[in-house]
Amino acid sequence: QVQLVQSGAEVKKPGASVKVSCKASGYTFTRYYMHWVRQAPGQGLEWMGIINPGGGGTSYAQKFQGRVTMTRDTSTSTVYMELSSLRSEDTSVYYCARSYIGAAGTVSDFDYWGQGTLVTVSS
Amino acid sequence: DIVLTQSPGTLSLSPGERATLSCRASQSVSSRYLAWYQQKPGQAPRLLIYGASSRAAGIPDRFSGSGSGTDFTLTISRLEPEDFAVFYCQQYGSSPYTFGQGTKLEIK
Repeated sequence: QVQLVQSGAEVKKPGASVKVSCKASGYTFTRYYMHWVRQAPGQGLEWMGIINPGGGGTSYAQKFQGRVTMTRDTSTSTVYMELSSLRSEDTSVYYCARSYIGAAGTVSDFDYWGQGTLVTVSS
Repeated sequence: DIVLTQSPGTLSLSPGERATLSCRASQSVSSRYLAWYQQKPGQAPRLLIYGASSRAAGIPDRFSGSGSGTDFTLTISRLEPEDFAVFYCQQYGSSPYTFGQGTKLEIK
């Protein structure tokens, strides 16, 4: 069965970086994009960016350009999201979610999600 | 960016009633690229509807989606106790893949 298992909760100080992992299993890793979506406490869902696990290509929401890096390790079917220069407003649950790579590289719905990783930024 | 506006913000209904949730887009969204998700407290979102009207695997047929262009609707025909949650619409036709702000469906 499809599973996306994320790394555990993190507590970071302002200005630090955090790297969250998402290990995929139960499907062909390179046939699905992986997205990162975050949710601040009591707030809605915010899309951060996407990585193509096959070629490693990425695209980030403008808000996070320059602060976020998404990478993958095909040998372990794991994707990573690193966010730098953390501030208190980055305190959120971070989710990975997959979507099928359609014809011509189109994105599909997010059909499986990780369990979420709480990142707390506090001095 | 495509802005999705959901209404109402909160919907108070009783089990057995019909729920109608709205999602309006700031520009036209191909109906192939509109999804609805359900999120319960402490859980990740769950895909309900994709392509505006197709139910995801394992989703009961009391959930249905409709709409096109800029106006989309999620309908729950007869509410069950487990349906009460927050619902989000999302467009995935153009980056950034934006979400609505959510509708909270609460027990009256």
